[in-house]
Amino acid sequence: DAGVIQSPRHEVTEMGQEVTLRCKPISGHNSLFWYRQTMMRGLELLIYFNNNVPIDDSGMPEDRFSAKMPNASFSTLKIQPSEPRDSAVYFCASRRGTGTYEQYFGPGTRLTVT
Amino acid sequence: TQLLEQSPQFLSIQEGENLTVYCNSSSVFSSLQWYRQEPGEGPVLLVTVVTGGEVKKLKRLTFQFGDARKDSSLHITAAQPGDTGLYLCAGAKSGAGSYQLTFGKGTKLSVIP
Repeated sequence: DAGVIQSPRHEVTEMGQEVTLRCKPISGHNSLFWYRQTMMRGLELLIYFNNNVPIDDSGMPEDRFSAKMPNASFSTLKIQPSEPRDSAVYFCASRRGTGTYEQYFGPGTRLTVT
Repeated sequence: TQLLEQSPQFLSIQEGENLTVYCNSSSVFSSLQWYRQEPGEGPVLLVTVVTGGEVKKLKRLTFQFGDARKDSSLHITAAQPGDTGLYLCAGAKSGAGSYQLTFGKGTKLSVIP
């Protein structure tokens, strides 16, 4: 069975450019999470979707960040404009149902903003 | 404020040694999970503990949830190079916001052959 799929795996961009990260959750999972991981702050939850609806976006750093989930099999995280401090590894995770806490992570996108 | 403190932050040991890493909090969690993350990959779930005092074993790994459900430990017996990685604990709370996992910063383990 395919796990969570993320693309691209690596992204290098210049400050001010728009960046779009993509995620395909595990089929049948109805919860999706976007996280950011840095050495300083560890894993931070950015936004949580349940049944394609954003439930909690309190972790989104600022208005430059936006996330969408147009259907059950696809989500995007967009940064516009990007800044060097956005450099991090961004993970997407999915979960089946709401009665379990087990989350399955994708391989991540390593973003470098120069 | 870091809700989950993991210690030690880094650990380097020889193959065959035993080790224990810790995950501590002042908050009570309804469940706690341990993940292992290898370089260039996402975290992979190892175990979920739910009941205070619960002990779970996964081959050479032993996980314990504290009686008060505020802390947890992971003990590895006879460590192998394949155990190398970042070990993350994550706590879940019941009620509103129960979907959310709070992650510690992790213990980076290196097992030297």
